[in-house]
Amino acid sequence: KNEVEQSPQNLTAQEGEFITINCSYSVGISALHWLQQHPGGGIVSLFMLSSGKKKHGRLIATINIQEKHSSLHITASHPRDSAVYICAGGPGGGADGLTFGKGTHLIIQP
Amino acid sequence: EAEVAQSPRYKITEKSQAVAFWCDPISGHATLYWYRQILGQGPELLVQFQDESVVDDSQLPKDRFSAERLKGVDSTLKIQPAELGDSAMYLCASSNRGRVSPLHFGNGTRLTVT
Repeated sequence: KNEVEQSPQNLTAQEGEFITINCSYSVGISALHWLQQHPGGGIVSLFMLSSGKKKHGRLIATINIQEKHSSLHITASHPRDSAVYICAGGPGGGADGLTFGKGTHLIIQP
Repeated sequence: EAEVAQSPRYKITEKSQAVAFWCDPISGHATLYWYRQILGQGPELLVQFQDESVVDDSQLPKDRFSAERLKGVDSTLKIQPAELGDSAMYLCASSNRGRVSPLHFGNGTRLTVT
């Protein structure tokens, strides 16, 4: 069974800080999704990646296939970034067969 | 931007009652997923449809849960009878055909069973 582990479970930081959330995954997973869940429950897909690095605005996602590790970075963090960030891994490049991590609860204080 | 629609947003029901959730995916999305998310956990897949066919329902408790997508568009997830342990967020998501299509989630239905 595929496994996805996230760390830290909770993270509180000050506005402007550089944020890193980590995700380790098991053999059998070849693609990673990073998702953002706001308190209301809705989930937004941030990135899908199977190699290298992707950037969108202040968000950067990286993946190291050899180490089976991915990171989500937030630069110049802002209170509106406060949310739960979820890593999910799957055997292919799409959304089938995803195993989700438990999420990292991020709070950015002004 | 097109959205995945879910209703109701919240549902409170007594144990042993029946409850149903509805999902309308983004138009043209062939794949539809129902997930259950217990507080503090990540989502877990209950059932996956490709058009009107069930692709994966291995984690669906079939003694009490059922799901259908009769015309390959909108979908209904039913629980009968509801149990206290069913209290959770039920999320619907859809994706387009193709290996690199991202997931699009609805806002979910938060179910409380009393």
